[in-house]
Amino acid sequence: NAGVMQNPRHLVRRRGQEARLRCSPMKGHSHVYWYRQLPEEGLKFMVYLQKENIIDESGMPKERFSAEFPKEGPSILRIQQVVRGDSAAYFCASSRGYQETQYFGPGTRLLVL
Amino acid sequence: AQTVTQSQPEMSVQEAETVTLSCTYDTSENNYYLFWYKQPPSRQMILVIRQEAYKQQNATENRFSVNFQKAAKSFSLKISDSQLGDTAMYFCAFPTESVNFGNEKLTFGTGTRLTIIP
Repeated sequence: NAGVMQNPRHLVRRRGQEARLRCSPMKGHSHVYWYRQLPEEGLKFMVYLQKENIIDESGMPKERFSAEFPKEGPSILRIQQVVRGDSAAYFCASSRGYQETQYFGPGTRLLVL
Repeated sequence: AQTVTQSQPEMSVQEAETVTLSCTYDTSENNYYLFWYKQPPSRQMILVIRQEAYKQQNATENRFSVNFQKAAKSFSLKISDSQLGDTAMYFCAFPTESVNFGNEKLTFGTGTRLTIIP
């Protein structure tokens, strides 16, 4: 059973460009979460989605960030007009449902030049 | 607000020794669960162990076990017979209370950097 897949693993963008991060949950998992980890810090929640629905986006910056989890295909975290402060590791996790364990993908390391 | 505190930023032990990492939390919930995750140098987040608050028995996974003290809101991780591969950051995590959305998002502690010395 494949784990949570994320791609790309590393992404380099220049200031002002767009970053698009993809996450494929584990088979049978319908809940997806995105977390951000700044250097030398713990993970911080960003957004929680189920198929075609954003359930909780209380951790998302108000501007430039958006997320989706379409009926078909991976979940996508999109960062528009990236700035240097967006440089971080972005982790996706998935679970089977409410109060189930979240399993993490390998993360996408975003570097903004 | 729910908080998770890890008071040991760094620890190191000799290979084969036992080490205990501490974690305290604050919640008004009665039915909840807690996790320990490890993050080795590869930066992958790996589940170590899960504890259900309603269970009196402490969770165990091979060399990893917890000491869960519900009244004290303490959730420590014990690693027995430590191995070089245990070198990692260890994070305690707890579902954050959310009235509108249910307890789904995890709040992480600041982590403990554990080094196993050969």
